[in-house]
Amino acid sequence: DQQVKQNSPSLSVQEGRISILNCDYTNSMFDYFLWYKKYPAEGPTFLISISSIKDKNEDGRFTVFLNKSAKHLSLHIVPSQPGDSAVYFCAASDQTGANNLFFGTGTRLTVIP
Amino acid sequence: EADIYQTPRYLVIGTGKKITLECSQTMGHDKMYWYQQDPGMELHLIHYSYGVNSTEKGDLSSESTVSRIRTEHFPLTLESARPSHTSQYLCASSADRGRTQYFGPGTRLTVL
Repeated sequence: DQQVKQNSPSLSVQEGRISILNCDYTNSMFDYFLWYKKYPAEGPTFLISISSIKDKNEDGRFTVFLNKSAKHLSLHIVPSQPGDSAVYFCAASDQTGANNLFFGTGTRLTVIP
Repeated sequence: EADIYQTPRYLVIGTGKKITLECSQTMGHDKMYWYQQDPGMELHLIHYSYGVNSTEKGDLSSESTVSRIRTEHFPLTLESARPSHTSQYLCASSADRGRTQYFGPGTRLTVL
C-alpha cells in the first residue's frame, strides 16, 4: 500500500511561469518531507526539505508548502527554467528504522522554452 | 552535499552470474541505504545500515545481500543474477542525526 502518492505523472509548463508539483501522504507519523529531482540514468538530487513543525520552506526558486491537516505538500518552482525539466520525487520519513524514506512515483516536469 | 560513488554505472550480465555492486561515500555518514527503482515507479528500500556491522532488510523483499565492514563502504551482492533482477540500483547515505539522504549516480543492471 503506497504511503506517498504523486497523482500527476506529468506536467508541462511554459518557461518563466510557475510549476506546482503535488504530493499526498497517508501516514500521520511522517514528520519530515523531501523533494528530489532525477534525470534518467542518474541518482536523485536533493532539492529541498521541510519538517512537520513548519508549513513553508524556501530556497531560491524552490518553495515547499506543507498542509498537515490535509496530508498534502507541494513544490513551487518560480520562475521555471528549461533546465528544470526532470522527474521530481516526493519523499517522506518518520522516526522509525534509520529514518527510511518512502517515495512517490514521481512527476515528469517539462519546461517549454 | 555528500560525495557518494557507485560502480559500475552500467552492467549487462548473463543469468546465474554472481555480481557485486559497489557503493562508497566520503562524508563519514553512519547511515547507508540501497534502493531499487524500475522505470516510472517509486524507489523501494531494499537494505539499510545504521553503521559498521549493522545491516537490515528494507520494505521490498530482495534476494540480494549487503555488508558493512567499513563506514564508507556498503556493497550489494547478488549470488545468482536472474532477469527479474534487471533494474536500477541506487545507494544513499545520511549523517547520523540527519534526515536527508544523498544519492549516488546509480547502477543500471540488465540480466539477460
